[in-house]
Amino acid sequence: DGGITQSPKYLFRKEGQNVTLSCEQNLNHDAMYWYRQDPGQGLRLIYYSQIVNDFQKGDIAEGYSVSREKKESFPLTVTSAQKNPTAFYLCASRAGLTMETQYFGPGTRLLVL
Amino acid sequence: AQKVTQAQTEISVVEKEDVTLDCVYETRDTTYYLFWYKQPPSGELVFLIRRNSFDEQNEISGRYSWNFQKSTSSFNFTITASQVVDSAVYFCALVGGGADGLTFGKGTHLIIQP
Repeated sequence: DGGITQSPKYLFRKEGQNVTLSCEQNLNHDAMYWYRQDPGQGLRLIYYSQIVNDFQKGDIAEGYSVSREKKESFPLTVTSAQKNPTAFYLCASRAGLTMETQYFGPGTRLLVL
Repeated sequence: AQKVTQAQTEISVVEKEDVTLDCVYETRDTTYYLFWYKQPPSGELVFLIRRNSFDEQNEISGRYSWNFQKSTSSFNFTITASQVVDSAVYFCALVGGGADGLTFGKGTHLIIQP
């Protein structure tokens, strides 16, 4: 089955620790995205990548980093510089042009110990 | 800057009632797309519909229908004969112009009571 997988489902971070969230897709989509969702809020764009080895900051990129070494993978690292990392993180991908539909993974919930 | 407003934070209705979720958007782009997504308790966003700015025809898919009106910058979503399984958070979103990435509203939490 084609789709987007995210792991882990739950992730716990200690103070001062970097953690990496995984996102993999087998849809052969060119573009991939990371969004953050806080309780009672909509999704906000962290980073996106339209092609391999290239990525762009979104609206709330501070304290996060990404890489895009392979078309199917777009990991997100939450660094110690992100002071309020507790949130639900969703990865998405799309084919074709910018305004095509984005499809989402199941999400990772990050909690701070 | 683009903006999507979903003024209804939470709606609660009894099963079989019709319910409309409102979405108002702001954009300076002449070409843009509007979306609705459903987020059940599991958390994954499920795509429902995509509509471009040049197509104002209403759309119906089973019990779901969408009303797009450019004159009022609205893209409302109606569920007819609601069911308990419709309970979820529903998001309206926008992408336009040269920007990449969706702009989301804050979502409407829909509760369908049996």
